[in-house]
Amino acid sequence: EDKVVQSPLSLVVHEGDTVTLNCSYEVTNFRSLLWYKQEKKAPTFLFMLTSSGIEKKSGRLSSILDKKELFSILNITATQTGDSAVYLCAVRDVGTSYGKLTFGQGTILTVHP
Amino acid sequence: EPEVTQTPSHQVTQMGQEVILRCVPISNHLYFYWYRQILGQKVEFLVSFYNNEISEKSEIFDDQFSVERPDGSNFTLKIRSTKLEDSAMYFCASSAGLGGTGELFFGEGSRLTVL
Repeated sequence: EDKVVQSPLSLVVHEGDTVTLNCSYEVTNFRSLLWYKQEKKAPTFLFMLTSSGIEKKSGRLSSILDKKELFSILNITATQTGDSAVYLCAVRDVGTSYGKLTFGQGTILTVHP
Repeated sequence: EPEVTQTPSHQVTQMGQEVILRCVPISNHLYFYWYRQILGQKVEFLVSFYNNEISEKSEIFDDQFSVERPDGSNFTLKIRSTKLEDSAMYFCASSAGLGGTGELFFGEGSRLTVL
């Protein structure tokens, strides 16, 4: 059974800080890893990673995957209060249907002004 | 920007009642999914649907659950006889498919409360 573990479970920072969120996984036959941001209801897509060592970047957010050590990190630099959310990591297995994602429990990020 | 829409946003029902949750996926998407999130727990996969049939379902998706695409736009989840433990946020999602970017687009969710 695929498994995703995120750490820390929660994090409180001040605006301007840099944060690193961790995601480790066990999957039978890895296809891809996805990061989502969940503010109030719907998870919104951030990144999809398939190859090791290639950084994906969008503004202040970036993410990288290590397929040898089976983890990914999500970095947020110069945090803002609008970054406060639950960040979800999910993996997709080759052996399952395309849309079956296994999610971690999420990291709750709180950014104080 | 195209989005997945779900109705109702919140439904309260009595145990044993039937519930239908509705979703309108993004119009050119081919793959449709239901996920659920019990309060304080992980988002869990329920079912995927492609070409008018279920392509995969989880252990949670037992005989009490069914999905349907009754027309070209709606995608529904039916729970035949609700139980207390069905109380959760139910998310519909859609994706373009293998040729797309790989991301799933989620709706805002339907909160189901079973009393």
